[in-house]
Amino acid sequence: DTEVTQTPKHLVMGMTNKKSLKCEQHMGHRAMYWYKQKAKKPPELMFVYSYEKLSINESVPSRFSPECPNSSLLNLHLHALQPEDSALYLCASSQQEASTDTQYFGPGTRLTVL
Amino acid sequence: GENVEQHPSTLSVQEGDSAVIKCTYSDSASNYFPWYKQELGKRPQLIIDIRSNVGEKKDQRIAVTLNKTAKHFSLHITETQPEDSAVYFCAASNYGQNFVFGPGTRLSVLP
Repeated sequence: DTEVTQTPKHLVMGMTNKKSLKCEQHMGHRAMYWYKQKAKKPPELMFVYSYEKLSINESVPSRFSPECPNSSLLNLHLHALQPEDSALYLCASSQQEASTDTQYFGPGTRLTVL
Repeated sequence: GENVEQHPSTLSVQEGDSAVIKCTYSDSASNYFPWYKQELGKRPQLIIDIRSNVGEKKDQRIAVTLNKTAKHFSLHITETQPEDSAVYFCAASNYGQNFVFGPGTRLSVLP
């Protein structure tokens, strides 16, 4: 399996809802990432997990809460989001959290906050 | 921290012509430079990458060149085809830091 998968593909939620995004990889990668991508912009790094531990949090608001239950899974829990949080949320993985390791992206979850 | 600039922001070429996209980076410690292609509504996909100990790398119609002294790297696509139309992102990273992406180039290959 050489893919990163993400569910759901699309998500519409209200500002008072709680929802979760899921990411899975079975490539044995030990680093996993969450990115946010707005239209016509590059991906922006949100969180990095290395060996199931949070290693980087790029000053992301607390309404976004990441979780890494095991080496293959990465979740992003969402609560009390704002309309400006609407974006494509991309998960990626790499062998290690090393600067020269290629990151492989999942297809993304397109999130709309009403 | 690292800052990556990318030019041009949009590029239109005729099918069969070559396309060149250029990126500059600010941190001389950066040592890995991937290029991603993103079609509309799809994930970024790695098309080619280069590490700092190499000056040029080629994969069929795609090549990347790196000039560490000038701190710039370029993507070259030859014999362009309509399916090459997409947004292309360059990125740079160095030890202990993660990718910083350029702003992207929208390439249109006209039939």
